[in-house]
Amino acid sequence: DTGVSQNPRHKITKRGQNVTFRCDPISEHNRLYWYRQTLGQGPEFLTYFQNEAQLEKSRLLSDRFSAERPKGSFSTLEIQRTEQGDSAMYLCASSSTRGRTGELFFGEGSRLTVL
Amino acid sequence: AQKVTQAQTEISVVEKEDVTLDCVYETRDTTYYLFWYKQPPSGELVFLIRRNSFDEQNEISGRYSWNFQKSTSSFNFTITASQVVDSAVYFCALSEWGSSNTGKLIFGQGTTLQVKP
Repeated sequence: DTGVSQNPRHKITKRGQNVTFRCDPISEHNRLYWYRQTLGQGPEFLTYFQNEAQLEKSRLLSDRFSAERPKGSFSTLEIQRTEQGDSAMYLCASSSTRGRTGELFFGEGSRLTVL
Repeated sequence: AQKVTQAQTEISVVEKEDVTLDCVYETRDTTYYLFWYKQPPSGELVFLIRRNSFDEQNEISGRYSWNFQKSTSSFNFTITASQVVDSAVYFCALSEWGSSNTGKLIFGQGTTLQVKP
């Protein structure tokens, strides 16, 4: 049974560069979420997909952030013109509409460090 | 506004001790869900329990138990006879009814539990 997979696990970049993270959810899950977690804090919701449709976006998701889920399977989160404040762990989670509401299955995260 | 507060930043216990992690929440909704998630050192959050606001029955699952008290807006988590493998960061989270289908959880800051042998 494959869980949620995220790549890369770690990314170090210079301010101003673009970065892209990929998330492969559990195969039968039609819902996919992105969260951000900074050091010592709980995860913060960024966005939510049901199949390929992006149904909700947080105000935290500035214009420099874009998320896609083109075929309703894997998802990408791109950050353009990175800033030091973007340094965080980016968590992906998935769930099924047939599962328990709020029971999310998380990946191990992609840690971004912006120098 | 929705808010989850976990006042205990870090707790350290010796193996076999009981430990309670506190969680206080704020919401204007009368219908909502509460959750506990565990984040081990590997990083992935693991779902432990979900409670809806209509169900104030306490729940026990093995060494874990949860006490939900609507009157004090608290949803505390107790680990009985703690083990080293329980060492992790534990998060309490809230989802309002309208957000429950979007997976939009409001997490507390987390409590780091260290269980020493």
